[in-house]
Amino acid sequence: AQSVTQLDSQVPVFEEAPVELRCNYSSSVSVYLFWYVQYPNQGLQLLLKYLSGSTLVKGINGFEAEFNKSQTSFHLRKPSVHISDTAEYFCAVSVRSQGAQKLVFGQGTRLTINP
Amino acid sequence: DTEVTQTPKHLVMGMTNKKSLKCEQHMGHRAMYWYKQKAKKPPELMFVYSYEKLSINESVPSRFSPECPNSSLLNLHLHALQPEDSALYLCASSQPGQVFSTNEKLFFGSGTQLSVL
Repeated sequence: AQSVTQLDSQVPVFEEAPVELRCNYSSSVSVYLFWYVQYPNQGLQLLLKYLSGSTLVKGINGFEAEFNKSQTSFHLRKPSVHISDTAEYFCAVSVRSQGAQKLVFGQGTRLTINP
Repeated sequence: DTEVTQTPKHLVMGMTNKKSLKCEQHMGHRAMYWYKQKAKKPPELMFVYSYEKLSINESVPSRFSPECPNSSLLNLHLHALQPEDSALYLCASSQPGQVFSTNEKLFFGSGTQLSVL
């Protein structure tokens, strides 16, 4: 079955430092991968997604992710973080269920930016 | 208008109560979703409606009853809930089938925080 594993439950980073949030997927077929962000008391917002094509995907708010098939990874990166990036980040994979596609989320990574 | 509006934002109910959660969008999306999110956990899909018809039911207990009266509105009727049903309930919408093939995306509401006493 397709799934994603987020390797870090919490990542503390200083402001203006780079950050990488790790995500590994398991799939024996073509896979669609997503990163979502959830700010406190909010719903989820799509940062970026990989469907096909270029393995480097650029998203909103200066985030990017690289699809690496050989390492089955889809890590999220940002070269310089801001206090406002403090949030929960979820990696997700598409799974086919009952004849339709659905998203299955990883356990989440809490990103905390310290001044 | 790129918003998914959920009401109420907070709800406290007893185990014998009947209540409803409401979700509305005016983006012309024809797929609507209910997710359940327990504290410090990822969202879990409950139901998907596509063109106002139920297309996915993730084996959700019958005390949760979804309804899609029209293309803009999605309800979740609650009856005889248990304390373990306390969670954030998120609604989302999209164009059917396009989240995984185009630049379309899921739009999420801010959720209803439900507490069952």
